[in-house]
Amino acid sequence: EVQLVESGGGLVQPGRSLRLSCEASGFNFDDNAMHWVRQAPGKGLEWVAGINWNSGSVAYEDSVKGRFTISRDNAKNSLYLEMNSLKTEDTAFYYCARDMTTQIYGPYDSWGQGTLVTVSS
Amino acid sequence: DIQITQSPSSLSASVGDRVTITCRASQVTANYLAWYQQKPGKLPIILLYAASTFQSGVPSRFSVSGSGADFTLTISSLQPEDVATYYCQKYNSAPRAFGQGTKVQIK
Repeated sequence: EVQLVESGGGLVQPGRSLRLSCEASGFNFDDNAMHWVRQAPGKGLEWVAGINWNSGSVAYEDSVKGRFTISRDNAKNSLYLEMNSLKTEDTAFYYCARDMTTQIYGPYDSWGQGTLVTVSS
Repeated sequence: DIQITQSPSSLSASVGDRVTITCRASQVTANYLAWYQQKPGKLPIILLYAASTFQSGVPSRFSVSGSGADFTLTISSLQPEDVATYYCQKYNSAPRAFGQGTKVQIK
């Protein structure tokens, strides 16, 4: 059974940093690209970033470019999101999602339960 | 960037009604379109991708039509378990935009 478990969320002040992690199990982690998707409470889904199977290709949503960095460690079956210069508008549940392909051009067939990031002073 | 416009933003229909949700892209997406269902308090699940390839287990009352830049998701006979927010997503290039979502409720 595919499992994605996020961690690292919490309350942080504007301008500070936070690192999210997503631990994967139940599948060959390096067979799939991975993504971070966020959802502000009561709002819609917003894609944040994606990384292909071997970290050779990454992409970001415009509002997080230069502030967020997606990475992965296939040896540890883990996906990460380093978030710097956080803004109040970054407040959301952050989900890791499995791409159905090795590249970052596929749909998402599995989602983690999410971790809540709250940016507030 | 390709923009996705989904409509309506919400709808209320009776059990057994036919329900239609549309998704329009500002440019042709070459059928790189997926639809997700998110029930209240739950995670999104993928209903279909490549514009018309359904995931295993999706009820036959769900269907899709369209191509290029205009797509439609139809529920032929709305059931109580279909109460959810539905999102379309284009995934062939960055940003992988989601539509704004359509909240489907029972009247």
